[in-house]
Amino acid sequence: EVQLVESGGGLVQPGGSLRLSCAASGFTFSSYRMNWVRQAPGKGLEWVSYISRSSSTIYYAESVKGRFTISRDNAKNSLSLQMNSLRDADTAVYYCARDDYGDNGAFDIWGQGTMVTVSS
Amino acid sequence: SSELTQDPAVSVALGQTVRITCQGDSLRTYYASWYQQKPGQAPVLVIYGETNRPSGIPDRFSGSSSGNTASLTITGAQAEDEADYYCNSRDSSGNHRVFGGGTKLTVL
Repeated sequence: EVQLVESGGGLVQPGGSLRLSCAASGFTFSSYRMNWVRQAPGKGLEWVSYISRSSSTIYYAESVKGRFTISRDNAKNSLSLQMNSLRDADTAVYYCARDDYGDNGAFDIWGQGTMVTVSS
Repeated sequence: SSELTQDPAVSVALGQTVRITCQGDSLRTYYASWYQQKPGQAPVLVIYGETNRPSGIPDRFSGSSSGNTASLTITGAQAEDEADYYCNSRDSSGNHRVFGGGTKLTVL
């Protein structure tokens, strides 16, 4: 079964750090681009970051640029998001999403999400 | 522009047809994809590449585009189609992805 499972969420104080992980199974992880997408409570979806198959190309939303770092380990079928200098506005469910269907891309497989709460 | 605009809410009578739209300048250049999200669940891809359905998605879901507007049409809406729907595409640079604000579909 094709699956993505996120972990690492939790409660953190403003200014703190957290590292999210996404474990992939059921497909050749190294063949796919990957993304992080988040959703604040009661709000819409927000794209956060993208990483290419070989990690050679990385993009971030302006809202997290300079604070978040996306990475992947193809040998371990794992995607990560290191989040530093966290703010209240970063409170959200964080999803990892597989990116398929050619150059234009689409998020065809999603994890169940992990909740990050930034609060003092 | 990097924005995609959706109507916040749309309703449809059971069995009727509904169109959900997504507007943005980048849609003149890049394809849209569409996602269905039910409460407490992760989003599900229902349309990619503007008009294509992934396997397992009912054929009552279809996509189209004209100019700066992408559309998701549900022909013969079912009760289980009640959900939030989000469009997604790229910004003007082509590097960043952007979601529309979402449309809450109510099936009456």
